[in-house]
Amino acid sequence: EAGVAQSPRYKIIEKRQSVAFWCNPISGHATLYWYQQILGQGPKLLIQFQNNGVVDDSQLPKDRFSAERLKGVDSTLKIQPAKLEDSAVYLCASSLGNQGSRYNEQFFGPGTRLTVL
Amino acid sequence: AQSVAQPEDQVNVAEGNPLTVKCTYSVSGNPYLFWYVQYPNRGLQFLLKYITGDNLVKGSYGFEAEFNKSQTSFHLKKPSALVSDSALYFCAVRDSFNSGNTPLVFGKGTRLSVIA
Repeated sequence: EAGVAQSPRYKIIEKRQSVAFWCNPISGHATLYWYQQILGQGPKLLIQFQNNGVVDDSQLPKDRFSAERLKGVDSTLKIQPAKLEDSAVYLCASSLGNQGSRYNEQFFGPGTRLTVL
Repeated sequence: AQSVAQPEDQVNVAEGNPLTVKCTYSVSGNPYLFWYVQYPNRGLQFLLKYITGDNLVKGSYGFEAEFNKSQTSFHLKKPSALVSDSALYFCAVRDSFNSGNTPLVFGKGTRLSVIA
């Protein structure tokens, strides 16, 4: 079974530039998550999709971050414009089931390491 | 609001000795508890979870965890540590209460170092 795919693996940009990350979840997984992991901290949920609908984006800085999951499969996360504090690893995860299945484990991709200079 | 505490930033243990990585949690209802491991330059890998039932949960790579409701703890354990167990370990909790969505909340992680 193929895992969660993410690209790129690394990205270096200047502040105020824009950047996009891509994620392809495990086939058949209805729920997709984007997390931000700052060095020395645990992952923090940015946005959760159920199929192609947003379930939770309460911690997404909507003035600069956006995400979409067209057709309910792969997803993109965009930052525009980037700030220095956006330097982090961006993790994508997927899981089976609907939002009621809070006990389902999540499967994580390798992440994208973003450095903002 | 739900929260997780991992009180130790670093745990050092000799190879072959038992290891424990501590985790305590706070939720409104009953907890769904998870342990994940992160190796360098890789995403998080699921180790084990507690949903309900037996308080001792067995997971991947010989790891187990004990749910203690009175102490609100979910410590990760292994009887005999391997050098290859050296990694960053995250405890996470999700609240079963509340009809709306509740996110998975992670602790800040504990770095385990197993010394040969």
